Amino acid sequence: AQSVSQHNHHVILSEAASLELGCNYSYGGTVNLFWYVQYPGQHLQLLLKYFSGDPLVKGIKGFEAEFIKSKFSFNLRKPSVQWSDTAEYFCAVNGDSGSARQLTFGSGTQLTVLP
Amino acid sequence: GAGVSQSPSNKVTEKGKDVELRCDPISGHTALYWYRQSLGQGLEFLIYFQGNSAPDKSGLPSDRFSAERTGGSVSTLTIQRTQQEDSAVYLCASSFNRGVNTEAFFGQGTRLTVV
Repeated sequence: AQSVSQHNHHVILSEAASLELGCNYSYGGTVNLFWYVQYPGQHLQLLLKYFSGDPLVKGIKGFEAEFIKSKFSFNLRKPSVQWSDTAEYFCAVNGDSGSARQLTFGSGTQLTVLP
Repeated sequence: GAGVSQSPSNKVTEKGKDVELRCDPISGHTALYWYRQSLGQGLEFLIYFQGNSAPDKSGLPSDRFSAERTGGSVSTLTIQRTQQEDSAVYLCASSFNRGVNTEAFFGQGTRLTVV
């Protein structure tokens, strides 16, 4: 079975600070990896995704994530956060199980950016 | 429609009553997921439909929960004899399913409150 761990439950930063949110997954096969974001009062939306190829993935709003296969990690980064980045961030994995390709999510990281 | 639509957006019910939650996926999407998001928790997988295949019900927490998907499109999640611990936001997502290279699009969710 696949699982996802997000070790940071709540991160508080000041504007312009750099961000890195950790994500580790457990799955032995080929995976697709995602970061979703949920802004206050809004639905979940895709931030970025990794399917194959370049392990450094660029997403919207200046976010990027790096897939490190040897570490089973897919950490999210942004060099300089803004107040508008305040949201909850979810890492997800979709394993190539062949049958039920369910998306498994981490428990989420609440990011609060102080103006 | 343009996105995944869920109804109702909010539902307050008395303990012991049955509730039905509806999801209209994006047209053409063959995969449909139900998740539950409780306060301070991640996204808990409930059930997954893929085309005409038997659904993956492995995430349903008890036999009070059931779901169906009629005609490969609209899905209904039914909770019988609701209990207070069922209070949560119920999220529906849909996707294409081309191999594993796919991403899920989420609805706004139904906030269920059992009093």
